[in-house]
Amino acid sequence: EAGVTQFPSHSVIEKGQTVTLRCDPISGHDNLYWYRRVMGKEIKFLLHFVKESKQDESGMPNNRFLAERTGGTYSTLKVQPAELEDSGVYFCASSQRGISNYGYTFGSGTRLTVV
Amino acid sequence: GDSVTQMEGPVTLSEEAFLTINCTYTATGYPSLFWYVQYPGEGLQLLLKATKADDKGSNKGFEATYRKETTSFHLEKGSVQVSDSAVYFCALTSTSGTYKYIFGTGTRLKVLA
Repeated sequence: EAGVTQFPSHSVIEKGQTVTLRCDPISGHDNLYWYRRVMGKEIKFLLHFVKESKQDESGMPNNRFLAERTGGTYSTLKVQPAELEDSGVYFCASSQRGISNYGYTFGSGTRLTVV
Repeated sequence: GDSVTQMEGPVTLSEEAFLTINCTYTATGYPSLFWYVQYPGEGLQLLLKATKADDKGSNKGFEATYRKETTSFHLEKGSVQVSDSAVYFCALTSTSGTYKYIFGTGTRLKVLA
């Protein structure tokens, strides 16, 4: 089966611009997660979708970040306007069951650089 | 709150050397523990896991034992290969939501031929 796919793999934007990251989960996976690794630090949870509903967005840093999952398929994460501290690697993951004990399939990430 | 502490890298070893990457955790309750690995250009992959105290997770020659008394989950491999070069992340299931992980900072391993 195809894995979790993320677009783009790299993005370099100027401070103040808008960037949209996309994640295509494994087909049939209702649960979708976004995580972020900033500057070589720990990978941090951003939010969790079940189908098209946000179950937990407690990790979203601020209101410049907007995640959507229309139709319960792919998801987008928009940063508007981008700030320097938003630079990092954004990972998406998906799973059939929303229980981390079973392990999730992660994408290879989008490396975002804000200059 | 829950947290994971990993040894800082990078760790550089010669092929066939013994590997230990230390991981300790802080959590309320009894979380499950994991090691994920990210090879260059790829996504995070689940390497091994342990769901209760004294469990040993193992995969691809790697092992880690859930030590409740020392709150540790150190990753070991007896003989590393060049292909093991990657970033290794220790993680636990958050006690505030079983659907999410708390990760460590990652440890980069470089194995030289």
